[in-house]
Amino acid sequence: AQSVTQPDIHITVSEGASLELRCNYSYGATPYLFWYVQSPGQGLQLLLKYFSGDTLVQGIKGFEAEFKRSQSSFNLRKPSVHWSDAAEYFCAVGAADSWGKLQFGAGTQVVVTP
Amino acid sequence: DVKVTQSSRYLVKRTGEKVFLECVQDMDHENMFWYRQDPGLGLRLIYFSYDVKMKEKGDIPEGYSVSREKKERFSLILESASTNQTSMYLCASRLPGVYTEAFFGQGTRLTVV
Repeated sequence: AQSVTQPDIHITVSEGASLELRCNYSYGATPYLFWYVQSPGQGLQLLLKYFSGDTLVQGIKGFEAEFKRSQSSFNLRKPSVHWSDAAEYFCAVGAADSWGKLQFGAGTQVVVTP
Repeated sequence: DVKVTQSSRYLVKRTGEKVFLECVQDMDHENMFWYRQDPGLGLRLIYFSYDVKMKEKGDIPEGYSVSREKKERFSLILESASTNQTSMYLCASRLPGVYTEAFFGQGTRLTVV
């Protein structure tokens, strides 16, 4: 069964600084990988996704993620954080045989300081 | 603008009550999901449905049931609410296929007292 680990429960970053959120997955076949963001009081919004092709994926809001098969990782990055990026971020993995089910990580809460 | 709408943002129910959480999507999606979100645990799948009247158990179905009588509506039912079901509940829908985007509702914060 697939699983997702987000090692960092909470990250504090200064506005304008870079941000990297870690995600490690476990899945036997080619994974379908997603990053979602949840702003306070809101549902989840898709930032980006990866299935195949270029291992560096661009998403919305200036985010990108890099797939590294050798490390089973799909880390999310942003070069310069804005105060509006304060939110909870979820990595998710989907499997080809799972009727579209997604397995989510525990989430990383991002706090942005002035 | 695509939309998944959950009928209540906040609910307070008593232990033993039967609770209905309603979700409606306007995107004609075949697949719909109910997740439970708890701090430190992320989102855990309770049930999902891939067609009208079709349902499958997710990872934590105990104490829950679902109903999908119409394509656009997917209901989560707590047969006899308990305090350990106090949580945030999120509904999602997506087209079939593993690479399609899932759209989420804003969530229902359920408190069982």
